Amino acid sequence: DTGVSQDPRHKITKRGQNVTFRCDPISEHNRLYWYRQTLGQGPEFLTYFQNEAQLEKSRLLSDRFSAERPKGSFSTLEIQRTEQGDSAMYLCASSLRVGGASTDTQYFGPGTRLTVL
Amino acid sequence: GQSLEQPSEVTAVEGAIVQINCTYQTSGFYGLSWYQQHDGGAPTFLSYNALDGLEETGRFSSFLSRSDSYGYLLLQELQMKDSASYFCAVSPLIYNQGGKLIFGQGTELSVKP
Repeated sequence: DTGVSQDPRHKITKRGQNVTFRCDPISEHNRLYWYRQTLGQGPEFLTYFQNEAQLEKSRLLSDRFSAERPKGSFSTLEIQRTEQGDSAMYLCASSLRVGGASTDTQYFGPGTRLTVL
Repeated sequence: GQSLEQPSEVTAVEGAIVQINCTYQTSGFYGLSWYQQHDGGAPTFLSYNALDGLEETGRFSSFLSRSDSYGYLLLQELQMKDSASYFCAVSPLIYNQGGKLIFGQGTELSVKP
């Protein structure tokens, strides 16, 4: 399977703990996105990278959230001091942005479902 | 900013045609995308309209009218497997040539036998 993969698929943690999620994009894709989705809502943008550069972070992303893509391949999303409101599905997507193209198709991974008790 | 409105639920019968509307308020965007998401699954790309008009991909078609701030997804010959949530999304015009997608809240489609 050469699609986007995410690990773990499920994470249950206690409030106040730190958690880290990993995303492996489609290998030739240069862009990687993180979204958060709660029940009955559409995915909500968190941040994205082009290669290893983090180009945009949502204002909704508090200081407790940090994302990295150190070598321009896989990415990690860390949430520190988790709160119950962080419970959601965390989705990763990747795309190939070529030259002066105005947009690109984003391919989503299966997500990591986080439950904060 | 951007906001997109979709009906929350639509019900149709197998074999029928259904249209899912998306109206939006945005300061500018590159195009309108549609994604399908089955329960517990990942969003899957269906269609993209960069320009006004109709785009057809098999049983699915998508339409965009920028002057009316409106688009729709048309599903023909409905099958039970089409029961899913459908999201419209825009890629905002920003200095670094777009990137993020802004999604609507989604329309849950139920296909009945």
